[in-house]
Amino acid sequence: NAGVTQTPKFRVLKTGQSMTLLCAQDMNHEYMYWYRQDPGMGLRLIHYSVGEGTTAKGEVPDGYNVSRLKKQNFLLGLESAAPSQTSVYFCASSYSEEVYGYTFGSGTRLTVV
Amino acid sequence: AQKITQTQPGMFVQEKEAVTLDCTYDTSDQSYGLFWYKQPSSGEMIFLIYQGSYDEQNATEGRYSLNFQKARKSANLVISASQLGDSAMYFCAMRGGSGGYNKLIFGAGTRLAVHP
Repeated sequence: NAGVTQTPKFRVLKTGQSMTLLCAQDMNHEYMYWYRQDPGMGLRLIHYSVGEGTTAKGEVPDGYNVSRLKKQNFLLGLESAAPSQTSVYFCASSYSEEVYGYTFGSGTRLTVV
Repeated sequence: AQKITQTQPGMFVQEKEAVTLDCTYDTSDQSYGLFWYKQPSSGEMIFLIYQGSYDEQNATEGRYSLNFQKARKSANLVISASQLGDSAMYFCAMRGGSGGYNKLIFGAGTRLAVHP
């Protein structure tokens, strides 16, 4: 089925560990995004990409890095995890025109202890 | 800067009744899009409805309608004939405006509970 696939779905990290979240889409979307969702705060944009090889900072980029080497993949990295990064992470993709909403992945629940 | 405000942290409604979820937005631009998403307890984000800033008619999608009042900068979601399956978190979001078409900005959400 076409859509956005996130791996892993769950992860527990120790403070200071690193990890990479993978997002893959098969809809040929130009734009891809990483959001984090925390209680009472909605979804906040971490980083986004408007095309292969491009990335840009969103609202809350500190502590995260991203890469988009291929159009269909968008990776989110945590270099040194902190408890404040405990959250649910959503990847999304879209076409460039404003009339289109986003297609979201199913989310990754990350706990940093 | 763009901002979406949802002032109702929680709402409840009786089954089969209608409910309105409030959303106000802040942008100085003329071209933007407004979206509503549903997030059930399973966690996925489900697109419900879209309204473009130049659309003169309110958007409708089945039991969902968007009460768009441009002068007031409000984009309230109306759910008619509520069902138990409508119990979920609902997010209002905006794309475009001063934030650019690249980004979708979300409100904090409203948790709706439908009672039998």
